[in-house]
Amino acid sequence: AQTVTQSQPEMSVQEAETVTLSCTYDTSESNYYLFWYKQPPSRQMILVIRQEAYKQQNATENRFSVNFQKAAKSFSLKISDSQLGDTAMYFCAFMKPPNNDMRFGAGTRLTVKP
Amino acid sequence: DTEVTQTPKHLVMGMTNKKSLKCEQHMGHRAMYWYKQKAKKPPELMFVYSYEKLSINESVPSRFSPECPNSSLLNLHLHALQPEDSALYLCASSESLGNPADEQYFGPGTRLTVT
Repeated sequence: AQTVTQSQPEMSVQEAETVTLSCTYDTSESNYYLFWYKQPPSRQMILVIRQEAYKQQNATENRFSVNFQKAAKSFSLKISDSQLGDTAMYFCAFMKPPNNDMRFGAGTRLTVKP
Repeated sequence: DTEVTQTPKHLVMGMTNKKSLKCEQHMGHRAMYWYKQKAKKPPELMFVYSYEKLSINESVPSRFSPECPNSSLLNLHLHALQPEDSALYLCASSESLGNPADEQYFGPGTRLTVT
């Protein structure tokens, strides 16, 4: 079974600074997908960024980027120029085909301080 | 329209009641999902539907009964629930199961309290 570990239950960062959220996973699969989802307080969960395991290049989406280390089974999220709206719970998730069985980590609660 | 809607937003039910949760999407997605999220915990997958057929049942107790009457609608029928079933129930959809990289769009959830 696949497990996803987020070792930082809570983090905080000053507005405009950079923060990195950690995620490790355990799998014997070679074909899988990794995601970071954001769940703001009392709001819907939305996708932040995704990474296909077969792609060596790290994904980036504007201020969000990942550091994907396949051999180390590590998938960290870097948020640059943090904004107050980035305050949320961040979940790292692992998915394998064919049934899109997605497993989430425990989450990291990020607070961006003014 | 990239919206998944869920009704009701809140539901309080007794252990002998029968109720249903509803999820709807009009994005033409053919895969739909039910997740259960306990307080301060991550979502846990319950069911996956693909082209209106049940694809995954994560050993969910029979007091939860999913139904996909058409490609836009997903229901979760509840009967004889226990207080420990109180949670946020999230619905999600994606284009299909064929491409796991497809984004899952989540609804706002139904907060269920079983008394």
